[in-house]
Amino acid sequence: GAVVSQHPSRVICKSGTSVKIECRSLDFQATTMFWYRQFPKQSLMLMATSNEGSKATYEQGVEKDKFLINHASLTLSTLTVTSAHPEDSSFYICSARPGQGSPYEQYFGPGTRLTVT
Amino acid sequence: AQSVTQLDSHVSVSEGTPVLLRCNYSSSYSPSLFWYVQHPNKGLQLLLKYTSAATLVKGINGFEAEFKKSETSFHLTKPSAHMSDAAEYFCVVSRNTGGFKTIFGAGTRLFVKA
Repeated sequence: GAVVSQHPSRVICKSGTSVKIECRSLDFQATTMFWYRQFPKQSLMLMATSNEGSKATYEQGVEKDKFLINHASLTLSTLTVTSAHPEDSSFYICSARPGQGSPYEQYFGPGTRLTVT
Repeated sequence: AQSVTQLDSHVSVSEGTPVLLRCNYSSSYSPSLFWYVQHPNKGLQLLLKYTSAATLVKGINGFEAEFKKSETSFHLTKPSAHMSDAAEYFCVVSRNTGGFKTIFGAGTRLFVKA
């Protein structure tokens, strides 16, 4: 099956620093990738949609200057949390849609636990 | 507009008894519906999906779900719960009309008692 990886799986950073999270589709090309955020004991909330080679589309309420998304290739998207604060601590999950196959298929990464101290 | 409602935030069953996790949806388009499971501090695993084929969908680990258009429901069932089934379950609706969009339900925490 299709595999999506995320790196790192866990990261701790100090308040005010930036942290980058990578999302990779390992065995398929992903024309679209999605970034979700999940607070403890809550559901996933879509943050943004990124298409390869174009600017990401952010959901309402998500600060695009704070959560920088780059989808530079068909297998890699990155999420950079800039000037992180403790309230940014969360579980970040990406998903990827293949360019071919069922239009409803998307594959989720294992998630990245961000803790800002 | 699309939405998905998971009717129970928590469900507790005894090992070996049936599991029922309820999900209702609304969609302006023919929906595709999914159930995912998430174990603590893990990513999402697809259990099963409905994409306008057979209304009774069989998934992994003995789970199945039935799409009932008249009731706008997509409940998840399993005949006999196992301790390893304890996890968070998400009902998800997706559309691919006017742009791909995925909506997650709030989740149902399944507890399995020995």
